[in-house]
Amino acid sequence: DAGVTQSPTHLIKTRGQQVTLRCSPKSGHDTVSWYQQALGQGPQFIFQYYEEEERQRGNFPDRFSGHQFPNYSSELNVNALLLGDSALYLCASRGFEGDSITNTGELFFGEGSRLTVL
Amino acid sequence: AQSVTQLGSHVSVSEGALVLLRCNYSSSVPPYLFWYVQYPNQGLQLLLKYTSAATLVKGINGFEAEFKKSETSFHLTKPSAHMSDAAEYFCAVMASSNTGKLIFGQGTTLQVKP
Repeated sequence: DAGVTQSPTHLIKTRGQQVTLRCSPKSGHDTVSWYQQALGQGPQFIFQYYEEEERQRGNFPDRFSGHQFPNYSSELNVNALLLGDSALYLCASRGFEGDSITNTGELFFGEGSRLTVL
Repeated sequence: AQSVTQLGSHVSVSEGALVLLRCNYSSSVPPYLFWYVQYPNQGLQLLLKYTSAATLVKGINGFEAEFKKSETSFHLTKPSAHMSDAAEYFCAVMASSNTGKLIFGQGTTLQVKP
């Protein structure tokens, strides 16, 4: 059973460019979240997608956008890159565990895409 | 709102010694709590989770954590450290209201000395 897969693993961009990162969730999972992890920091929540819609968003500017496809895979797009966007971008997927009301399912993380902005 | 504080950005122990990584949380609703481990150049791996069942939670690789509501703590322990435990450890909280959004602490780097 493949876990969460992300591509590319590493990439280098220059300021002002745009980048697209891709994520395939764990089999059976329908919810995808994206996190940004700056060097030496804990991951910060960017947004979450479910049923092809953005359901929640963290404190990130509109330069950060995303998409979820019918097969539950997802993309993260960042426009007008800044030096401060350099980070490890993590994708996490979640299924449903527990009863009809409470989801106790955990998030499974991919290995991330490391973005360097020069 | 939820938040997590990990006390101690670096912890160093000798091989075979007790590992104690501290985590305190703040949550306005009943929380779910998690510990993740991150090895260099890798993603996050779940060690254990608390979701309002037993307060003492056992995880993988011999780790365990105890949820103490009165102290708003969820400290991670392991009786005997192994060299392979050297990594970055993150405590995280999620609102039990089904949001799926994790709030992470800043992380604790565990060093294990031979």
